[in-house]
Amino acid sequence: AQSVTQPDIHITVSEGASLELRCNYSYGATPYLFWYVQSPGQGLQLLLKYFSGDTLVQGIKGFEAEFKRSQSSFNLRKPSVHWSDAAEYFCAVLIQGAQKLVFGQGTRLTINP
Amino acid sequence: DTAVSQTPKYLVTQMGNDKSIKCEQNLGHDTMYWYKQDSKKFLKIMFSYNNKELIINETVPNRFSPKSPDKAHLNLHINSLELGDSAVYFCASSLKETQYFGPGTRLLVL
Repeated sequence: AQSVTQPDIHITVSEGASLELRCNYSYGATPYLFWYVQSPGQGLQLLLKYFSGDTLVQGIKGFEAEFKRSQSSFNLRKPSVHWSDAAEYFCAVLIQGAQKLVFGQGTRLTINP
Repeated sequence: DTAVSQTPKYLVTQMGNDKSIKCEQNLGHDTMYWYKQDSKKFLKIMFSYNNKELIINETVPNRFSPKSPDKAHLNLHINSLELGDSAVYFCASSLKETQYFGPGTRLLVL
């Protein structure tokens, strides 16, 4: 069955520190993968996506993610976090044909000053 | 120039009532969706429509009835509201693979 797992429910990092949020997927074909961010009380904003090609993709707000087929992973990274990055982050895989997104459980990011 | 908009943003109502949530997109997309986010922040698709036709119905109770008057609008009507319907409901739209989400409607059933 297609699924997405985000192993870390809650991560706390200091402002200016680097960040990596983990995402593992289970999907039979080549996955279409996404990261979305949800700020408190807000909607979901698309950070970046991977469909094919270069396995390192750049997104908005200084985020990047790397697709590793051998590890079934699509981890999100940022070299230096800002207080405004505090939010909930969701990884998702698109079930092609059905055109529906299957989301991970989300990772809540807290930034220490 | 909001891309995907939803009304209302907040909805507080009593059990047993009927309510509607509206969604509009001005992106020219032909597919629209409703997702439900529960109290643990888990997101799950409910429905999708392509050019006003129902494509996905993810075993949602038939108290929930989506309606798409045109491809820019997808409304969600909920009959006989139950406590468990309390959640955030997100509308989304897409042209191809990428889905863009609205700001959400926070529904609280008392």
